[in-house]
Amino acid sequence: AQTVTQSQPEMSVQEAETVTLSCTYDTSESDYYLFWYKQPPSRQMILVIRQEAYKQQNATENRFSVNFQKAAKSFSLKISDSQLGDAAMYFCVNAGGTSYGKLTFGQGTILTVHP
Amino acid sequence: NAGVMQNPRHLVRRRGQEARLRCSPMKGHSHVYWYRQLPEEGLKFMVYLQKENIIDESGMPKERFSAEFPKEGPSILRIQQVVRGDSAAYFCASSAGTVTYEQYFGPGTRLTVT
Repeated sequence: AQTVTQSQPEMSVQEAETVTLSCTYDTSESDYYLFWYKQPPSRQMILVIRQEAYKQQNATENRFSVNFQKAAKSFSLKISDSQLGDAAMYFCVNAGGTSYGKLTFGQGTILTVHP
Repeated sequence: NAGVMQNPRHLVRRRGQEARLRCSPMKGHSHVYWYRQLPEEGLKFMVYLQKENIIDESGMPKERFSAEFPKEGPSILRIQQVVRGDSAAYFCASSAGTVTYEQYFGPGTRLTVT
């Protein structure tokens, strides 16, 4: 079974500053993917960034980057130059192996951005 | 290219009634997934379907819930004899395949049982 744990229920950041959201996961699969999804007040789920477990290089997407520590089963999200539009619930998500098709979500972290 | 469509966006049902939630995947996508989100929680997987086949229903409650994805038309999540505990947001996602596991989500249907 796969589990995803987000230990920060809420985080806040000043506009233009940097914030890091934490995530740990557990899986017995050797081939898997990790994602960060964002859910703004509209409730629409938006894919922020993805990481293939077999790739050592950390994924980046513009202001968003991850720190993937495979041995520690850690997958944190760094948001640089935070913007008001980044305010949302962020979910760390795991998928892969024999449970293909099934995404496993963490509990979520609510990010508040202060102007 | 239209995204994943779900309707209705909001659905109110009295206890004991049936709820039907519809999902049209993105064009070219043949894999559909249903998730449920209770207040203040993450999404929980319910079922994974391909056209005319249920691939994985390990997250579906054993009773009252069913899902289908017919050859023609949208995927349907059906909840019979709804109870207050069924009140939640139900999200549908679709993908072109399972290799990359990337799923695109619809806006969700918020079901309220009174």
